[in-house]
Amino acid sequence: ELKVEQNPLFLSMQEGKNYTIYCNYSTTSDRLYWYRQDPGKSLESLFVLLSNGAVKQEGRLMASLDTKARLSTLHITAAVHDLSATYFCAVDIRLPYGGSQGNLIFGKGTKLSVKP
Amino acid sequence: DAGVIQSPRHEVTEMGQEVTLRCKPISGHDYLFWYRQTMMRGLELLIYFNNNVPIDDSGMPEDRFSAKMPNASFSTLKIQPSEPRDSAVYFCASSRGQGIVDEQFFGPGTRLTVL
Repeated sequence: ELKVEQNPLFLSMQEGKNYTIYCNYSTTSDRLYWYRQDPGKSLESLFVLLSNGAVKQEGRLMASLDTKARLSTLHITAAVHDLSATYFCAVDIRLPYGGSQGNLIFGKGTKLSVKP
Repeated sequence: DAGVIQSPRHEVTEMGQEVTLRCKPISGHDYLFWYRQTMMRGLELLIYFNNNVPIDDSGMPEDRFSAKMPNASFSTLKIQPSEPRDSAVYFCASSRGQGIVDEQFFGPGTRLTVL
């Protein structure tokens, strides 16, 4: 069974600081997705990482994927209050012959609170 | 594109009543997913469809829940009879699937309160 673990689950940080959220998964996959959810809102796609070594950056957020280590990181640089949200990583289930099962397995989410 | 459309956005009902949630996926997407989100249990996948056919309904909590997808542009999630513990936000998502990017796009959600 594919498991996706995020840590930390709760993160309180000060504005201007850097931090990293980790996403570990338990089986082979070469596609990983990061989503953001603001309080009371839906999930919004942030990054799609499609291969080993993939790195994507958007503003103060940078995501990377290491498929050998089964690890993705979401790095926050010089945090600002607007980044306060819950961040989810999700991994797809690859089938033995190379296709995808079609659904994603989500982590529990990391609730980020950026304080002034 | 309008994105994934869900209705109603909010539903308040009394225990024992039937509730029907509706979803219109993004045109051209082959996969449709129903999720439930609560504070206690987080985000749970209830069921998903591929080309209108249910693929995995193992997340459906019990027989009170049913989902249908009569055509490529419409799906319903029905709860009958509803119970207070069904109170949650229900999200519908869709994706192209079977391609390079299987990114799921989420609808705005339906906030269900069962009194």
